[in-house]
Amino acid sequence: QKEVEQNSGPLSVPEGAIASLNCTYSDRVSQSFFWYRQYSGKSPELIMSIYSNGDKEDGRFTAQLNKASQYVSLLIRDSQPSDSATYLCAGKTSYDKVIFGPGTSLSVIP
Amino acid sequence: DAGVTQSPTHLIKTRGQQVTLRCSPISGHKSVSWYQQVLGQGPQFIFQYYEKEERGRGNFPDRFSARQFPNYSSELNVNALLLGDSALYLCASTPRGTGAREQYFGPGTRLTVT
Repeated sequence: QKEVEQNSGPLSVPEGAIASLNCTYSDRVSQSFFWYRQYSGKSPELIMSIYSNGDKEDGRFTAQLNKASQYVSLLIRDSQPSDSATYLCAGKTSYDKVIFGPGTSLSVIP
Repeated sequence: DAGVTQSPTHLIKTRGQQVTLRCSPISGHKSVSWYQQVLGQGPQFIFQYYEKEERGRGNFPDRFSARQFPNYSSELNVNALLLGDSALYLCASTPRGTGAREQYFGPGTRLTVT
C-alpha cells in the first residue's frame, strides 16, 4: 500500500457544483494532513490543513478527516473554472516528513 | 513579506554534470525542505534541514546532497546528473523543525538534463 493514495482523475464537474476529492493514507502517516492546489507549471499552494477528526471549513473549502478509516477528503462548493488544477493530498509522519499523494486533476466546466 | 525564493528558475544541464540549486526561506522560518516533482507525480521528499542540521532524508542516492547556511538559506547539489533527474525541484520552509505543521513552497527550479 502506498503511503498516501488519491482517487485517480481527471475529475470533471460543472461550474457551481460540489467537487469531492478523496485521499487515504497508511499507518506510517499519522500526523497532520494538508491539501495543496497546484496549477500547471506552478508550485503547490497550501489551501487547507487539518489535524483532528471532523470537519474544517474555510470559505468554499471543507476538509474532512476520519482517522479510524484513515481517510481525508476535500469538498469544494460552488466550483469555479479557476478551481481547475491538480489537488495534492499530503500527510506528515511522526518524523516530520511530509508525504504527498500523486494528485487528482480537477476540471471545472463552465 | 517575501515568500520562499528559489534560483535559478530554469536550468539545462547535460548528463554527468553537477548542479546547485538555491533557496531562501520566508523570513523567520528556520526549516527548509527539498522535494523533487516529476511530471504527473506528487512531490517526493529529498531532505529537511533545521538549524543547519539534516533532520530527514528521503530515498535518494548519495549524488544528492544539501546544506543550510547560518541565515537559513539552503543549497541542493546533485552530482553526476542522469536524464531521470529532470524534474521540478521545490523548496519549502516552515517556522521551525520538529512539530512544524504547514510548509510553504517556493516557485521551484525546473531542471532539464539532456
